[in-house]
Amino acid sequence: QVTLRESGPALVKPTQTLTLTCTFSGFSLSTSGMCVSWIRQPPGKALEWLARIDWDDDKYYSTSLKTRLTISRDTSKNQVVLTMTNMDPVDTATYYCARMKSSGWYVDYWGQGTLVTVSS
Amino acid sequence: DIQMTQSPSSLSASVGDRVTITCRASQSISTYLNWYQQKPGKAPKLLIYAASSLQSGVPSRFSGSGSGTDFTLTISSLQPEDFATYYCQQSYSTPYSFGQGTKLEIK
Repeated sequence: QVTLRESGPALVKPTQTLTLTCTFSGFSLSTSGMCVSWIRQPPGKALEWLARIDWDDDKYYSTSLKTRLTISRDTSKNQVVLTMTNMDPVDTATYYCARMKSSGWYVDYWGQGTLVTVSS
Repeated sequence: DIQMTQSPSSLSASVGDRVTITCRASQSISTYLNWYQQKPGKAPKLLIYAASSLQSGVPSRFSGSGSGTDFTLTISSLQPEDFATYYCQQSYSTPYSFGQGTKLEIK
């Protein structure tokens, strides 16, 4: 059974760095073809893809956010970490981690999401 | 970057209706097009992948078609549980992109 769970602060101040952790089970990020993405959704708005990390440690980022994002993994802990620097109120959103596979790059499993509010 | 445009942005329909949602890509994406359903307060759920493949466990009233730049999601006979927001997503190349969503409401 595949599960993913996001964890991190619910509230961050402007200019701070956000660190989110995705802890997953039911698959290994060392297995060929496995990937984890981060996707966010501001309240009442559409989904936005942020970043992806692959089984071979390749990494991909949103064009508009790539200077602020870093994705990394700890395969021994089954965790993927996303950091986003210089947080702004417009970054207020529910952040999801999600599993993808290279057989189509669609999200077949989602975490429940974690709401991050950026406010002083 | 590839832009995805969905239409309509909202839609009112009745139980039993046939409904079609359209998604257009700003460049050809072959059949790398996926559809998700999202209900309030919940994570999205995969319905269709690779433009027309039905995800396991998804009712057969959902279907997808298209290739290149134009795609459709069809619900053949709306059920009460289908009222939700629907998103398309291109997985042809990173950065991946989603449509702006189509909110399906009860008439």
